[in-house]
Amino acid sequence: GNSVTQMEGPVTLSEEAFLTINCTYTATGYPSLFWYVQYPGEGLQLLLKATKADDKGSNKGFEATYRKETTSFHLEKGSVQVSDSAVYFCALLKAAGNKLTFGGGTRVLVKP
Amino acid sequence: ETGVTQSPTHLIKTRGQQVTLRCSSQSGHNTVSWYQQALGQGPQFIFQYYREEENGRGNFPPRFSGLQFPNYSSELNVNALELDDSALYLCASGWGEGSVGDTQYFGPGTRLTVL
Repeated sequence: GNSVTQMEGPVTLSEEAFLTINCTYTATGYPSLFWYVQYPGEGLQLLLKATKADDKGSNKGFEATYRKETTSFHLEKGSVQVSDSAVYFCALLKAAGNKLTFGGGTRVLVKP
Repeated sequence: ETGVTQSPTHLIKTRGQQVTLRCSSQSGHNTVSWYQQALGQGPQFIFQYYREEENGRGNFPPRFSGLQFPNYSSELNVNALELDDSALYLCASGWGEGSVGDTQYFGPGTRLTVL
């Protein structure tokens, strides 16, 4: 079956540091890939997505590239802010059934 | 354009009771999915509705059931509540044709506590 594996947190960084969160997936065919962010006490917000190999999704300074050869979709940001403190979820979507499969989430804490 | 809304925000029930959670889809969307997120974990897919029909189901027992209404709002019903049903329940809406994946937009969730 489909699965998503994320690096375990928490990840603690200083403001303006570089952030990488690793995400790899297992799926047949060509899933769409997503990053969602969850701020404390809130639901999930779509951060970015990519729908085919070599696509790069980007938003709010975050980027992720769909790498089919390594089945990865790592999230990066060059300079984090305290407001980026949240839990980040990598997810894949297969067409049949429209079911999103999520990773376990990575908590990021950015300190001033 | 209004986003996805859910009600209630919080709910406390006792074991064996029944609960109904509600979701209003984002304007223009015709699919709605429900997810269960246990504390410290990623969301787990419960089921999806498309044009008022169930369009896919995850590994949840039949006591989890749902409805989608003509205005694309939705309900999640859980019977015979168990302690392990305590979780954040998330609703997500999207625009799809039932077999083609697309972006799903999430509501803020309903926090259910079963005592």
